[in-house]
Amino acid sequence: AQSVSQHNHHVILSEAASLELGCNYSYGGTVNLFWYVQYPGQHLQLLLKYFSGDPLVKGIKGFEAEFIKSKFSFNLRKPSVQWSDTAEYFCAVNADTGRRALTFGSGTRLQVQP
Amino acid sequence: EPEVTQTPSHQVTQMGQEVILRCVPISNHLYFYWYRQILGQKVEFLVSFYNNEISEKSEIFDDQFSVERPDGSNFTLKIRSTKLEDSAMYFCASSGGLAGANTDTQYFGPGTRLTVL
Repeated sequence: AQSVSQHNHHVILSEAASLELGCNYSYGGTVNLFWYVQYPGQHLQLLLKYFSGDPLVKGIKGFEAEFIKSKFSFNLRKPSVQWSDTAEYFCAVNADTGRRALTFGSGTRLQVQP
Repeated sequence: EPEVTQTPSHQVTQMGQEVILRCVPISNHLYFYWYRQILGQKVEFLVSFYNNEISEKSEIFDDQFSVERPDGSNFTLKIRSTKLEDSAMYFCASSGGLAGANTDTQYFGPGTRLTVL
């Protein structure tokens, strides 16, 4: 079974700072990788996903993530955060065996200070 | 933009009672899911549903749980005899269900907070 680790539980940044949130997964086979965001009071929504091709994936709102297979990582980045990026960020995977069930990490709470 | 909706937003019940959580998936989606998040823990997969039957389920989804699509729009999760440890936020999700693709985006509802006393 796969597992997902997000080592940063709570990150506090000032506006315009750069962001990198770590995500590592544990699974011996091919995976599909997702980043979801949950803004305060809102539902989970997809930021970006990777399943094949260019390992650098661009998502909505200026976010990107890089899949590094050798490191089992899929870190989320944004060059310059805004106050509106304050949210909880979840990394998730599913096994590329046709299973649709997502396995989530524990989430990282990002607080951006104006 | 179409959204997944869930009712109620908060449900309080007594231990041993049955509860039904309701979801309206996005209308042209084919796959439906339930996840839950116990306070302070990870979001966990419970079950997926396609073509009127369960397609995947986790070890959490035991005989106390059942799912149903009673009509063309609703998708429900029933817990037959609730336990204290069933207290959690329950999320419904749906996806388009592209043939053979497990990469399609799952769209989540806002969740139902279930409190078992």
